[in-house]
Amino acid sequence: DAGVTQSPTHLIKTRGQQVTLRCSPKSGHDTVSWYQQALGQGPQFIFQYYEEEERQRGNFPDRFSGHQFPNYSSELNVNALLLGDSALYLCASSSVKAAYNEKLFFGSGTQLSVL
Amino acid sequence: DQQVKQNSPSLSVQEGRISILNCDYTNSMFDYFLWYKKYPAEGPTFLISISSIKDKNEDGRFTVFLNKSAKHLSLHIVPSQPGDSAVYFCAARYSGNTPLVFGKGTRLSVIA
Repeated sequence: DAGVTQSPTHLIKTRGQQVTLRCSPKSGHDTVSWYQQALGQGPQFIFQYYEEEERQRGNFPDRFSGHQFPNYSSELNVNALLLGDSALYLCASSSVKAAYNEKLFFGSGTQLSVL
Repeated sequence: DQQVKQNSPSLSVQEGRISILNCDYTNSMFDYFLWYKKYPAEGPTFLISISSIKDKNEDGRFTVFLNKSAKHLSLHIVPSQPGDSAVYFCAARYSGNTPLVFGKGTRLSVIA
């Protein structure tokens, strides 16, 4: 049973560029959340997707956008990259049908470096 | 404004002894708390959780204690093993399918 998979594992971009990160949820999960973990910080919630719609959003600018596909996989897009966007981007999956205290399963993340 | 605080960035413990990791929170509306463990180059993995209606939850070597009046929780690891060396994140959520709010983490080093 594959867990949460993310690609790519590492990425280097320059300021002003755009980036797309990808995530496949754990088998049986239908909800995908994205988190940003800056160096020395805990993961911060970006947004959550369910039924191909953004359901909840954290305190991130509109440069951060996402998408969920019918097979539940998801993409995170960041436009007009800033140096401060350098971070580990984590995807987490869960099932909306589970009890509310269902734990999240995280992928290994994509390490984004903006130069 | 940090709603979940882990005030110790690092902790070093000898193998076989107890490790105690602490976490404080400011929002009394949180009703579910979790601990995640993270190794380098891996995503966080769930360790143990506790509902706000309980004050203790145990799973093998891991026990989480919740003191709601003090808005404080702690994770006890007994006995500590070298494989426990990792970054431990405390997280909290409101009721329902709401996002996790994480602390900054505590790096635990268990010395053989």
